[in-house]
Order: sequence, then C-alpha cells, then structure tokens
Amino acid sequence: EVQLVESGGGLVKPGGSLRLSCAASGFIFGNFGMNWVRQAPGKGLEWVSSISSVSSYIYYEDSLEGRFTISRDNAKNSLYLQMDSLRAEDTAIYYCAKDYYDTSGQFAGFDYWGQGTLVTVSS
Amino acid sequence: SYELTQPPSVSVSPGQTARITCSGDTLTKQYVHWYHRRPGQAPLLLMYKDTERPSGIPGRFSGSTSGTTVTLTISGVQAEDEGDYFCQSTDNNAQVFGGGTKLTVL
Repeated sequence: EVQLVESGGGLVKPGGSLRLSCAASGFIFGNFGMNWVRQAPGKGLEWVSSISSVSSYIYYEDSLEGRFTISRDNAKNSLYLQMDSLRAEDTAIYYCAKDYYDTSGQFAGFDYWGQGTLVTVSS
Repeated sequence: SYELTQPPSVSVSPGQTARITCSGDTLTKQYVHWYHRRPGQAPLLLMYKDTERPSGIPGRFSGSTSGTTVTLTISGVQAEDEGDYFCQSTDNNAQVFGGGTKLTVL
C-alpha cells in the first residue's frame, strides 16, 4: 500500500525556517517524480514545487522567489522541503504528492497524496 | 501567471448530473487532471488526461473537452460525491490548479 507521511510542520515566526519531510513507502520511490502542494486556509490547492525521480529537474512556483528548496533522498525514500524567510502568507497545509504516469509513460497527475502537515507562520 | 477557472460552486440533487468546468487558455494543448477532496481527506485523482479514469474510479465520472474548456461530468450523483473538485494542468513545467468547485448534493 502506498503511503506518504508528512512531518515537520508547526508554528514559526515570520522570517523563520522549517524543514518538511515526506516519508514514502509502498512503491519504488526512486522511480517517480514527487511534489509539494499547499492549501492555505479557505483557499484552493497551490502547487509549490516538483522534483524528478533522480533530482535532475526541479521546478518551483514563481512567487516563492527562491525561499524554498525541494530535495529528496532516494536511499531513505524521503522527500524534503526547506522553507526559509517564511511569511504569513506561507501559512497552509503542505501535502506531498506522487507523480502518476499513464501506460505510455506520460505525466498524468498526482495519484497519491499524504494527509498533510500544517505550517503556521505567525508572531 | 497562468490561471485555470472553475465555478466556485455547483449544486445538484441525488441522481442528477453534475457538470464542473475548468477553463484556461492553454487547454487546447495541455491535459487536465481532476481531483476530488472530501473534508479532512487527501485529494483523490479522479480523471487524468482530460478523459481517462484511474482504476477504481466509478464509470459515472467522465471527462470531455471543448476548445479551452474541460468538463468533469458526474452522472447519477451520490451523497458521497460531495466535496471540493480541483482541476490541474501544466504550464511551462509548472503545475497549476484551478480555484476549486464545491459540489453540494442537495
């Protein structure tokens, strides 16, 4: 059974840092791209960042302005998100999500999501 | 930045058909994927590449496209279909989500 379990969320002051982790199991982690998606209170889903299976390709949402860094450790089946210079508007539930590929190998969305970890940025 | 537009809410009675649209300028060239999220649960991939259902998704869910609009159709809506529906597409290696549509089953 595929499982994605996020951790590392919490309360942090503006300007502070947090490192989120996502522990994956039930699939060959190193074969799949992974992603972070967030949802602020009362808002919709917002894509944050994606990383390819062996970290060759990394993409971020433009508005993050270089404050976040995605990484992964395939030996540990883990995905990470280092968040620096946090702002109140970064307050959200952060989900990790696994890439889904169809039978032709084409990207076809995110087929598994974790339950999320809450990040609250407040003084 | 690129946007996908969804209606904020759709309401239908049980057994009726619900249609949720997702509009965006590049949707003639990019696929849309749909998710359903019930309160307190993780999103569930409902439809991929506009019209394809992942295994385990009931046949009453279907997708269609027309120009720059992709539509998710739920036939014979059930109470369990309540929740938020999000569309997703890709724009220059970035993933974009629609604002979400709250489906209410009356």
